[in-house]
Amino acid sequence: QSVLTQPPSVSAAPGQKVTISCSGASSNIGKNSVSWYQQLPGTAPKLLIYDNNKRPSGIPARFSGSKSATSATLGITGLQTGDEADYYCGTWDSSLNEGVFGGGTKLTVL
Amino acid sequence: QVQLVESGGGVVQPGRSLRLSCAASGFTFGSYGMHWVRQTPGKGLQWMAVVSYDGRINYYGSSVKGRFTISRDDSKKTLYLQMDSLRADDTAVYYCAKDGHSSSILESWGQGTLVTVSS
Repeated sequence: QSVLTQPPSVSAAPGQKVTISCSGASSNIGKNSVSWYQQLPGTAPKLLIYDNNKRPSGIPARFSGSKSATSATLGITGLQTGDEADYYCGTWDSSLNEGVFGGGTKLTVL
Repeated sequence: QVQLVESGGGVVQPGRSLRLSCAASGFTFGSYGMHWVRQTPGKGLQWMAVVSYDGRINYYGSSVKGRFTISRDDSKKTLYLQMDSLRADDTAVYYCAKDGHSSSILESWGQGTLVTVSS
């Protein structure tokens, strides 16, 4: 069981928008910033969003993040078939003194 | 650009040990915390361990505490993971990752190395 909770899968049509939720607790999301990672099939994870809503250089503005209390959300607009991947939220848990991840969400672009 | 290259994976028997390495380049290695994260085939990410930028502070995930040891050699720009008393459920791809400005951010990742624990 993952410390952070994500839906196992989401799907939407090309060009549409999708959101992926990430639920945690006061000791993790409630206290620390959230990052999101994209893992394309057969590759290593890549940082997509950090500090809740910031994008590393090279990440398109179609990707956005937000956080409220003990939950975070990743948004992707203008969906492309190349966005099909597994998406993970992650943060630090200040009570466990461990890094924690969500179980991952598989995005299918129909 | 940041490059992280893991090595040392392979097939090992239960109860034996293995040491993974992660060679870093493209950034000031001694200024950043470093992490190990693993992924069981077909499953999600599991955080394993972190070492602070100066090597003085380590934290471990509960499933590996007491069996795995993270360390770093700044002169070689290399991160290590010593894995002892290996079990079948340690079978996974192991990634090293570089901190962002906090341990909530895994800014760059290596390509991973596969560890298979099997008799």
